[in-house]
Amino acid sequence: DAKTTQPPSMDCAEGRAANLPCNHSTISGNEYVYWYRQIHSQGPQYIIHGLKNNETNEMASLIITEDRKSSTLILPHATLRDTAVYYCIVYLNAGNMLTFGGGTRLMVKP
Amino acid sequence: KAGVTQTPRYLIKTRGQQVTLSCSPISGHRSVSWYQQTPGQGLQFLFEYFSETQRNKGNFPGRFSGRQFSNSRSEMNVSTLELGDSALYLCASSLGTKNTGELFFGEGSRLTVL
Repeated sequence: DAKTTQPPSMDCAEGRAANLPCNHSTISGNEYVYWYRQIHSQGPQYIIHGLKNNETNEMASLIITEDRKSSTLILPHATLRDTAVYYCIVYLNAGNMLTFGGGTRLMVKP
Repeated sequence: KAGVTQTPRYLIKTRGQQVTLSCSPISGHRSVSWYQQTPGQGLQFLFEYFSETQRNKGNFPGRFSGRQFSNSRSEMNVSTLELGDSALYLCASSLGTKNTGELFFGEGSRLTVL
């Protein structure tokens, strides 16, 4: 699976949009971009995924650049409960084997 | 719908002992995968089971093993424990019939090796 690069930490004010970037410059055409988050002492939680098009669900939006070399996860109105480590994963549909990187520690502040 | 259940949640062992961890997947899910999380190495894939067969395996020594039962429940075993095996062990389940990266994780079993 392609390697991803994320900033180690970010801060966001409560109520503001949190934009979490991810670089995956070696992604191949059939690899998906997945986002998970892990709140302290809990298991990771699936957020969203996409291949080429931008995606939105009740939790977040995923913006993938046209060349697919980077993406941004957007939490439109961050709350204190969104404080977590966010993982960007490039995944090839071949078994349920995810390769987690270091992730971004998002701190939402009042 | 009940989530993924892992037992025990916490346990302490000493070096050289062995440990068995249990995972009950979400009802109807046939794939169970295991991950190890440590501060130094982060989250690492151990293995995946689907319909009682190991389908994928990560880069861990043979001391780490697992199995899956006909009801999809899974166990993992670590023999001859080392201090470095202290970690949070996470289990994740999915339907498994269609390869997807959408996994449902349990809260983990935190193992401390003394």
